[in-house]
Amino acid sequence: GAGVSQTPSNKVTEKGKYVELRCDPISGHTALYWYRQSLGQGPEFLIYFQGTGAADDSGLPNDRFFAVRPEGSVSTLKIQRTERGDSAVYLCASSLEAGGGGTQYFGPGTRLLVL
Amino acid sequence: SQQGEEDPQALSIQEGENATMNCSYKTSINNLQWYRQNSGRGLVHLILIRSNEREKHSGRLRVTLDTSKKSSSLLITASRAADTASYFCAPNYGQNFVFGPGTRLSVLP
Repeated sequence: GAGVSQTPSNKVTEKGKYVELRCDPISGHTALYWYRQSLGQGPEFLIYFQGTGAADDSGLPNDRFFAVRPEGSVSTLKIQRTERGDSAVYLCASSLEAGGGGTQYFGPGTRLLVL
Repeated sequence: SQQGEEDPQALSIQEGENATMNCSYKTSINNLQWYRQNSGRGLVHLILIRSNEREKHSGRLRVTLDTSKKSSSLLITASRAADTASYFCAPNYGQNFVFGPGTRLSVLP
């Protein structure tokens, strides 16, 4: 079956602009995670959804970042007033297990570059 | 910080040799997972070990967990050039994971 997909694969934007990053999880996976990864670093947790609700958003760096998952499947990570420091690879992962802590299946990521 | 810390940061070995990577963490965990990431690509899950388990095997991979020392190790036996990648441990504390900076493994042919 299809794995986790993310679109776009690359996004270049200018400082101050708004961007949306999309994640399509594996069908039937109720848990969905967003991470961001800078060069040479491990993934940094941003937010975890269980179904439609954000069960843990403690990793969102500030209020410019927001994510939704309105129907419990596709999720969108939204970044307002982008800054150069937001440049990173944004990774999405989904998991079959509810409650967090299950095996995560990662997408290929969206590489965001803020000029 | 609750993140896992991998050690060493980088490791270079010859094909056929064994590679051992270590991970330390700070507080009690539900489970600990190991992932591999090839350059520029997404992460691939390798093994999940639960807090009540001490050792797990998967093919050429062996993972140990010592909760008293808050540490885990990943052993790759008979390494191949295709094992060249970054390896991350991810301690799970309930609802999220905290990845460390990873170990960059280079397997030379």
